[in-house]
Amino acid sequence: QVQLVESGGGVVQPGGSLRLSCAASGFSFRSHNMHWVRQAPGKGLQWVALKSYDESYENYAESVKGRFIVSRDNSKNTLSLQLNSLRLEDTALYYCVRGDGSPTYFAFWGQGTLITVSS
Amino acid sequence: QSALTEPASVSGSPGQSITISCSGATTDVVSYNFVSWFQQHPGKAPKLIIYEGNKRPSGVSNRFSGSKSGNTASLTISGLQSEDEADYYCCSYVGSDTWVFGGGTKLTVL
Repeated sequence: QVQLVESGGGVVQPGGSLRLSCAASGFSFRSHNMHWVRQAPGKGLQWVALKSYDESYENYAESVKGRFIVSRDNSKNTLSLQLNSLRLEDTALYYCVRGDGSPTYFAFWGQGTLITVSS
Repeated sequence: QSALTEPASVSGSPGQSITISCSGATTDVVSYNFVSWFQQHPGKAPKLIIYEGNKRPSGVSNRFSGSKSGNTASLTISGLQSEDEADYYCCSYVGSDTWVFGGGTKLTVL
């Protein structure tokens, strides 16, 4: 079955960096756009970033553009998110999400990895 | 601020039907007809229950249905059950490879 397992979360100071990873299995990873979606504690969901199925294209929410970099390795079935210049408001549970359809909808979600930005 | 507006909470008794609305801040948002809905139980990841406005993924109960009227999308849950108590989020593709979510609705089963 579809599995998405995120890792790499932790506590980081404002201005710091962190790299998240998502290991995918149970489906043809190279055939799907992949996304990161985040959820601040007790708050709603926010789309963060898209990486196209063929690694050729990405897009970001305005709030993270220029600070976050999404990448993927289709040979290793992994999606990554490099988070730089972290702010207090980036504190959230970050979900790795498989996209289906066109335009993609968020079909399968991992369990998330928590990033806490705190001094 | 969310581009999609949902009621903060709704409630209903077992067996009843409830509807959660999702309105776009601009006319374009919901008119794309690429609205999806997610159910999230406490401490769990969101689960897709409706996509492309009114389609159900395999395995999702037919008690869940989606619709659209004008600039408002709606999720209806019929035959309410205790396990339906959860947070519900709408989401819309808004073009240029970007997506927005509603603020979420807490459903209480009385």
